[in-house]
Amino acid sequence: DQQVKQNSPSLSVQEGRISILNCDYTNSMFDYFLWYKKYPAEGPTFLISISSIKDKNEDGRFTVFLNKSAKHLSLHIVPSQPGDSAVYFCAVRLVGGNLIFGKGTKLSVKP
Amino acid sequence: ETGVTQTPRHLVMGMTNKKSLKCEQHLGHNAMYWYKQSAKKPLELMFVYSLEERVENNSVPSRFSPECPNSSHLFLHLHTLQPEDSALYLCASSQGVRRGTQYFGPGTRLTVL
Repeated sequence: DQQVKQNSPSLSVQEGRISILNCDYTNSMFDYFLWYKKYPAEGPTFLISISSIKDKNEDGRFTVFLNKSAKHLSLHIVPSQPGDSAVYFCAVRLVGGNLIFGKGTKLSVKP
Repeated sequence: ETGVTQTPRHLVMGMTNKKSLKCEQHLGHNAMYWYKQSAKKPLELMFVYSLEERVENNSVPSRFSPECPNSSHLFLHLHTLQPEDSALYLCASSQGVRRGTQYFGPGTRLTVL
């Protein structure tokens, strides 16, 4: 059974608007959460992370929110740009454990 | 070269061939990883190396044989693969095994005929 779920395989957003990517996890013991971005023919690129002691982390246009009670992680991109079009993976980790990835959400930002 | 590099980027091999994938990290990290990404599946961890010692083998068939000669290089030796082994193989590195952020290479797209 999947421990990390990205229920939307794809998302389409207009340039300049907000993109919201969602991720749900099952184990409340996960302590570190990351988002990676992947362009075609490239490896995943680290984007932003958050530890379980925080509920928000911001880096420029990218903000990650963590709702521990709901076991829910989200990535907000605002304003969205066409260059943000990529597959976004969330990943989670237990203390001393390996990263567990979701299946990814393909974001398309239309000009 | 910077970051994590992988060669070759594309590989087509028959089921009886023997080939090797190479990964090199230029980040000064001490942990390296092999992942497999099949279509419509999450990234699957295959092997973890820390300070050149294998610390995890995630139930991977013996037709995949990793080698880590030093902390900067990681190989994946392939022999008698099956068509279902066709996938994107990704290498990653981090500072501290299972700690910190993992940085990925561009991957090798493997096709087994």
